[in-house]
Amino acid sequence: KAGVTQTPRYLIKTRGQQVTLSCSPISGHRSVSWYQQTPGQGLQFLFEYFSETQRNKGNFPGRFSGRQFSNSRSEMNVSTLELGDSALYLCASSLGLAGLQETQYFGPGTRLLVL
Amino acid sequence: AQTVTQSQPEMSVQEAETVTLSCTYDTSENNYYLFWYKQPPSRQMILVIRQEAYKQQNATENRFSVNFQKAAKSFSLKISDSQLGDTAMYFCALVIPGTYKYIFGTGTRLKVLA
Repeated sequence: KAGVTQTPRYLIKTRGQQVTLSCSPISGHRSVSWYQQTPGQGLQFLFEYFSETQRNKGNFPGRFSGRQFSNSRSEMNVSTLELGDSALYLCASSLGLAGLQETQYFGPGTRLLVL
Repeated sequence: AQTVTQSQPEMSVQEAETVTLSCTYDTSENNYYLFWYKQPPSRQMILVIRQEAYKQQNATENRFSVNFQKAAKSFSLKISDSQLGDTAMYFCALVIPGTYKYIFGTGTRLKVLA
């Protein structure tokens, strides 16, 4: 079974631009969670989608948004990029809701650099 | 608020030795789950071990075992017979069913030395 895939793997953007990241979960998994990973902050939870609905959201500004499609694939969008948005963005999938103690399977991440 | 603290940013261990990574957490809930995830350099994060809070027995997975002290809210990971492939960032995580959130610690970078 194929693992979690994320595209693109690397991105360079400038301040003020917007970016869309994509995540394809493991086949059969219905939940996709997004995390921001930075050296100082560790993994910060962004949001979780299950059956095309956002089930939970972390403490990030409204510039961060996402959606999930009927095939469980998910996209994350960041508008009006700031230098502080430079990070590794991880996607994780699980059979059910991650917050109900499901094991998460992580993708390789998208490394975003904002100049 | 629930928190997870990993107080050791970096650690190193000689190959074949044993190392223990610390994790403490804070929650007022009685039912929760704890995880250790491993993120090797430039590779995907994977689950190492999980522990249900209602189980008194410490979880083990081959060379990996935990010391779960519920009263002390401590969840340390012991790696026996360390191997070079154990070099990675290790994250401790807490999940409280119903909150729908995974809470991760800031990680411990472990380097296994040949």
